Amino acid sequence: SYELAQPPSVSVSPGQTASITCSGDRLGDKFVCWYQQKPGQSPVLVIYQDSKRPSGIPERFSGANSGNTATLTINGSQAMDEADYYCQAWDSSIVFGGGTKLTVL
Amino acid sequence: QVQLQESGPGLVKPSQTLSLTCTVSGGSISSGSYYWSWIRQPAGKGLEWIGRIYTSGSTNYNPSLRSRVTISVDTSKNQFSLNLNSVTAADTAVYYCARENCSSTSCYYGMDVWGQGTTVIVSS
Repeated sequence: SYELAQPPSVSVSPGQTASITCSGDRLGDKFVCWYQQKPGQSPVLVIYQDSKRPSGIPERFSGANSGNTATLTINGSQAMDEADYYCQAWDSSIVFGGGTKLTVL
Repeated sequence: QVQLQESGPGLVKPSQTLSLTCTVSGGSISSGSYYWSWIRQPAGKGLEWIGRIYTSGSTNYNPSLRSRVTISVDTSKNQFSLNLNSVTAADTAVYYCARENCSSTSCYYGMDVWGQGTTVIVSS
């Protein structure tokens, strides 16, 4: 079965750029989306089709996907961005990455 | 604005069937091009996709759960449901329903609407 790998944790200072990676075999051939989940809340879609932002998602969130790696980038990270982030792709079924805890400190 | 709400028993005994319903409000479950999914999350762990049903009724399931899962839709009630049989403690989790947005030709738009989640504990 297809697998997506994410780093368990990423730390960033306020105002700096955070990058969260998601790796999978030939992932660049697939579409990837990203979800943000804060404690006790449901996930929120922040990026779809590799790099598109749903309405209401701040412009500081961006995405890219090439080769074996997709990347979620948060420019000018804010305290409110501290959350778990999950990548998701479509293979023969829907697959989630294991999640990355982003700490802003 | 479409909203989703999960409902069902919070406690299920081992070996029995877990049954949950997701009620769609603010729109018709049978209009547009959407997949309706179930996802679960054990406490402190990541998301696991369980399966989905299209507005036409076609289904897709996680291969690891396929033998135990059935997802169905009741358009008259604007609901879709999850049945997971032969449950064990490993099925204890928060269960979410979600809407996956599609166009007329593809479904790579992600899950843009989620329910608040419901906790299911498997225990005797």
